[in-house]
Amino acid sequence: DVKVTQSSRYLVKRTGEKVFLECVQDMDHENMFWYRQDPGLGLRLIYFSYDVKMKEKGDIPEGYSVSREKKERFSLILESASTNQTSMYLCASSLGTGGPQETQYFGPGTRLLVL
Amino acid sequence: AQKVTQAQTEISVVEKEDVTLDCVYETRDTTYYLFWYKQPPSGELVFLIRRNSFDEQNEISGRYSWNFQKSTSSFNFTITASQVVDSAVYFCALIGAGANNLFFGTGTRLTVIP
Repeated sequence: DVKVTQSSRYLVKRTGEKVFLECVQDMDHENMFWYRQDPGLGLRLIYFSYDVKMKEKGDIPEGYSVSREKKERFSLILESASTNQTSMYLCASSLGTGGPQETQYFGPGTRLLVL
Repeated sequence: AQKVTQAQTEISVVEKEDVTLDCVYETRDTTYYLFWYKQPPSGELVFLIRRNSFDEQNEISGRYSWNFQKSTSSFNFTITASQVVDSAVYFCALIGAGANNLFFGTGTRLTVIP
């Protein structure tokens, strides 16, 4: 059973703070993804990673960075949080043998509020 | 360009009714993959189904069924005899072969009234 966990379910930060969102998967998946979910916009891809230390920009990378130092862990970093980054953040992973067309498995999400 | 449209923003049905959630997609790829996910109030997206563009057979899994029609670029999802536990937001998603990321629709919120 695939398990993707995220470090926090709810987070409240102030404008300008540096924010770390952590994601861990326990199924030895190669690929990991970060999305944000906003009402009326569905899910939008921020960054993804196909391997340790590798990262690729998604559709909305501005204002975000990522880190993947270990295979099981993928971190999303908001260098200087702004109110327009208030959102639900979802992490996902997929096996990796079949490319990005594989099924992605999601974590429970982190609701971030930036004041 | 790739796009997924879920025109139904919210649907309410009474328990035991059947309900169909619509998904219309656009892609120039001849090979692509379609997905449905369920997002209950807890927030986690739960994978329901993945289909590739070469397999147009309809699929049934318990009370769930999917109707894939390339001619109309649709991948609709039907819940038969709906239950309160089916209340959730349902997302349809698409990825083309060679693409790097899933494109999600905006979701349909289903409320099943007891």
